[in-house]
Amino acid sequence: NAGVTQTPKFQVLKTGQSMTLQCAQDMNHNSMYWYRQDPGMGLRLIYYSASEGTTDKGEVPNGYNVSRLNKREFSLRLESAAPSQTSVYFCASNEFGHSSTDTQYFGPGTRLTVL
Amino acid sequence: GDSVTQMEGPVTLSEEAFLTINCTYTATGYPSLFWYVQYPGEGLQLLLKATKADDKGSNKGFEATYRKETTSFHLEKGSVQVSDSAVYFCALRAKTSYDKVIFGPGTSLSVIP
Repeated sequence: NAGVTQTPKFQVLKTGQSMTLQCAQDMNHNSMYWYRQDPGMGLRLIYYSASEGTTDKGEVPNGYNVSRLNKREFSLRLESAAPSQTSVYFCASNEFGHSSTDTQYFGPGTRLTVL
Repeated sequence: GDSVTQMEGPVTLSEEAFLTINCTYTATGYPSLFWYVQYPGEGLQLLLKATKADDKGSNKGFEATYRKETTSFHLEKGSVQVSDSAVYFCALRAKTSYDKVIFGPGTSLSVIP
């Protein structure tokens, strides 16, 4: 099992450009998440999807959109990138409702710089 | 709302020193509590967890006890190694919002030989 995979690993954008971050998991999890990590801020939830076909806003959704393409894939789109979106982005998944597992599995991250 | 507070560091220790990283939480009811670790250049991974009061989570020599009376989940290790250098995140999963995990700001630990 590959676990949670993310592409790309690194990206540099100019202000106003758009891009999509891809995430896939092979653990058959229902729930998937996008976080951003900034120095001194810890992890902040951008969007999450509790199941295929549903998405909900997290703590910092402005400037982002998401798509839960199927059970495996959950993408994050920046329509018009801004320097404030320079961050490390992590995708995660877990099996919602199963307390015996109750673990979030994280991808390796995408390091995004917006100039 | 639900929240997690932890000492932010950075924390610098000599090898074989004792480690404590404090974590307190605010949540409705009795959440599940976690410690995640992030090694340089990697994503987070679960270190240990506890799902009810007085439970002790342990892994790789690290321990944390779920204290309901003090709403705390402090991380301890008796003798740290250079390989323990990482960022440690305390987190909770509230029973009222079971599909979301709330993370603390993280504590950076550096262990020097």
